[in-house]
Amino acid sequence: QSVLTQPPSASGTPGQRVTISCSGSRSNIGSNTAFWYRQIPGTAPKLLIYDNSQRPSGVPDRFSGSKSGTSASLTISGLRSEDEADYYCAAWDDSLSDVGFGGGTKLTVL
Amino acid sequence: EVQLVESGGGLVQPGGSLRLYCAASGFTFSSYWMHWVRQVPGKGLVWVSRIKTDGSRTNYADSVKGRFTISRDNARNTLYLQMNSLRAEDTAVYYCAKDLGGYYDFWGQGTLVTVSS
Repeated sequence: QSVLTQPPSASGTPGQRVTISCSGSRSNIGSNTAFWYRQIPGTAPKLLIYDNSQRPSGVPDRFSGSKSGTSASLTISGLRSEDEADYYCAAWDDSLSDVGFGGGTKLTVL
Repeated sequence: EVQLVESGGGLVQPGGSLRLYCAASGFTFSSYWMHWVRQVPGKGLVWVSRIKTDGSRTNYADSVKGRFTISRDNARNTLYLQMNSLRAEDTAVYYCAKDLGGYYDFWGQGTLVTVSS
């Protein structure tokens, strides 16, 4: 049972915009910032978004993040085939005193 | 270039022990909190443990508390995870990760731990 709730799958065609949601609670996203990681199966996760909406250097501006209340979302614009991966949201959880992750969303580019 | 290289994984029987290593380079290791995160193949990410810069503070997920011990040697730029009383449900890929203020800016490639008889 993941601390944060994500849809298990999402899909889109090249060029489309896709949004992945991440639902939490007052003790995690509601009180702390959200992060997003991207993982290609068989490889290590990679930071995509930090502090709700900030992109590390090297991450294209096609990727954007936002937060509202106890939910966060990741939007990918101009979808490309290489965006196929698993996407995880995360946030510190004050109640658990540890990092809570979402269950991951598998993005398929049709 | 930041590098985190895990090692020490392998096959171990239930009830056995294993020690994982994470060799760090390319940054001032002693200045950062470090974490272990695990992932059952095909499943999601689960936080395991974290350790403060000087090793004076540690935290554990409830599922491993009392069985796992995180430690570090800043002189050797190495993070450790001592895993005792291993269970089948501890089978996973274990990643070490560098903490940049509540999030992980770098991850290692992971090391697979398989607990099975």
